[in-house]
Amino acid sequence: DVKVTQSSRYLVKRTGEKVFLECVQDMDHENMFWYRQDPGLGLRLIYFSYDVKMKEKGDIPEGYSVSREKKERFSLILESASTNQTSMYLCASRTPSGGAGLGEQFFGPGTRLTVL
Amino acid sequence: GDSVTQMEGPVTLSEEAFLTINCTYTATGYPSLFWYVQYPGEGLQLLLKATKADDKGSNKGFEATYRKETTSFHLEKGSVQVSDSAVYFCALSAPNTGNQFYFGTGTSLTVIP
Repeated sequence: DVKVTQSSRYLVKRTGEKVFLECVQDMDHENMFWYRQDPGLGLRLIYFSYDVKMKEKGDIPEGYSVSREKKERFSLILESASTNQTSMYLCASRTPSGGAGLGEQFFGPGTRLTVL
Repeated sequence: GDSVTQMEGPVTLSEEAFLTINCTYTATGYPSLFWYVQYPGEGLQLLLKATKADDKGSNKGFEATYRKETTSFHLEKGSVQVSDSAVYFCALSAPNTGNQFYFGTGTSLTVIP
């Protein structure tokens, strides 16, 4: 079974702190994603990565950065946490596909971040 | 741009009732369509998918048919159980948008005994 793990299930941080959210997948997937999930807004893409050291902005990258130094690990960084970044953060990785855009995504359990 | 619209919830049904959750999409090209389910306290997991028009995806008693003419992918189950209580997300992925997924806002389902 594909396994996507996230470093914490629950995290509480203070405004202005630098926050690291880690995600690891064990299926050698090239594509990895970070989303945030908020009530009524569904999932919104923050950043994604096609391969090691590659990253692309999603729909809401402001206030976030990412790092992909190894294929299995994709980190989300909140440079200076703010209260409006309180949310559920979901990491996903994607199977290869015969043609672009067809493989399914596998999700981690999520990290519920609270910024005080 | 590509997008997914799904019916708003919450939806509350009695056990053994029939379930329909509507999903329509907008996409250029030929997308793949997915339904994901999120149980309380967990991440999303794939429920079913369809990769071309008229395909029917099915799993755990749930079904959805890819209808190109109506740009729809409605989720159905003939007899829901309490254990089906979860949030359901419709999603699409299209070749012209590379590896991105587009998700609906989610529909919360509660099944009461």
